[in-house]
Amino acid sequence: DTAVSQTPKYLVTQMGNDKSIKCEQNLGHDTMYWYKQDSKKFLKIMFSYNNKELIINETVPNRFSPKSPDKAHLNLHINSLELGDSAVYFCASSQERTSGGRVSYNEQFFGPGTRLTVL
Amino acid sequence: AQSVTQLGSHVSVSEGALVLLRCNYSSSVPPYLFWYVQYPNQGLQLLLKYTSAATLVKGINGFEAEFKKSETSFHLTKPSAHMSDAAEYFCAVTQFSGGYNKLIFGAGTRLAVHP
Repeated sequence: DTAVSQTPKYLVTQMGNDKSIKCEQNLGHDTMYWYKQDSKKFLKIMFSYNNKELIINETVPNRFSPKSPDKAHLNLHINSLELGDSAVYFCASSQERTSGGRVSYNEQFFGPGTRLTVL
Repeated sequence: AQSVTQLGSHVSVSEGALVLLRCNYSSSVPPYLFWYVQYPNQGLQLLLKYTSAATLVKGINGFEAEFKKSETSFHLTKPSAHMSDAAEYFCAVTQFSGGYNKLIFGAGTRLAVHP
């Protein structure tokens, strides 16, 4: 009954390859995220989807393409992998709350991460 | 834009000692603040959150944090450290952008607990 799950947990691949990471949440949330955690543990948001619509797109190379087939899934496809893409990628989900016309706080639930190593 | 500063990338305490992890934020609007914990090879778990209710917030595993607007701080404390508290701790603030909130994380503080 894992709340936010990711596959695979580990991914080792060669430079130039294309790979995908999958994320699923069973919390009924309407918003999902991808984060990248670098070797110094710094966490940075990459993308966010709300009800399958892209709402946050940070400065990420266009080799990275998220896809949300439905509210419960958010996948990340990476083309032409580079050494610098090596990191841990976390998926997260939340339920947006609105108060007074403004989106309120959003407690995010994180998946276990996917450790990507590019050789 | 909002930002978060965590003073001290590494903190080491003895078992049973007070834990104090520092977090300062910059925000132009009343913030929502969070502390997350990351155990080795795991995802992030929410410890506690401040959402403009009580300024002293209690979380899981005996942790608490106090929101001090005058100091723009949200330090995390625990009266008595356990070995199991050894982990990476992240402070985060929400940034409202384009109609939605996103979390801005600090660089993290690694807590080591020794016997």
